[in-house]
Amino acid sequence: ETGVTQTPRHLVMGMTNKKSLKCEQHLGHNAMYWYKQSAKKPLELMFVYNFKEQTENNSVPSRFSPECPNSSHLFLHLHTLQPEDSALYLCASSHVSGGTDTQYFGPGTRLTVL
Amino acid sequence: GESVGLHLPTLSVQEGDNSIINCAYSNSASDYFIWYKQESGKGPQFIIDIRSNMDKRQGQRVTVLLNKTVKHLSLQIAATQPGDSAVYFCAESSSGSARQLTFGSGTQLTVLP
Repeated sequence: ETGVTQTPRHLVMGMTNKKSLKCEQHLGHNAMYWYKQSAKKPLELMFVYNFKEQTENNSVPSRFSPECPNSSHLFLHLHTLQPEDSALYLCASSHVSGGTDTQYFGPGTRLTVL
Repeated sequence: GESVGLHLPTLSVQEGDNSIINCAYSNSASDYFIWYKQESGKGPQFIIDIRSNMDKRQGQRVTVLLNKTVKHLSLQIAATQPGDSAVYFCAESSSGSARQLTFGSGTQLTVLP
């Protein structure tokens, strides 16, 4: 559908669990992003990777740990999360060209922390 | 960071009518603007974008208008269809922000039969 896939689509975890979200883009892009989307709030940018290098970390708690092994894959490792971390986590990718850099989104992972 | 806001959180239109969704931004350095559509259970889908050197850009049934004087952006959807029902987000970025998009809170568009 969009060229950006995310797994799993739904995840329920306890506060002591460790889990990982996966994102893969098939668009040949060189930048990838993690966003958090909570109810009735604007999308919040969490992390940016440009050519596999993390360029932005928008004051995200350390219980969220990103990993970008190559320009096509992006992970978000989760540990000791809080109930308020329940949200839709969206991955996006773009081609960084100095121009418009349109970001294309995946379907998201709906995370529920119990 | 700079804020991007929407004038109305909800909008209902009759099928076949035109829809206009508005967005205000406050960062005078913003030079790129983009509209996304998000249907329930899906990620945001790119609709149309515009750079600050343009006032208007048209796509298929959609038009984006940019008024830099009053920092206002609008999305016009012609002949609105039931499939257009969704939440619409505007977002902006500036060349100095490493293309970080700042999103508005979204407008829920409902198309009435």
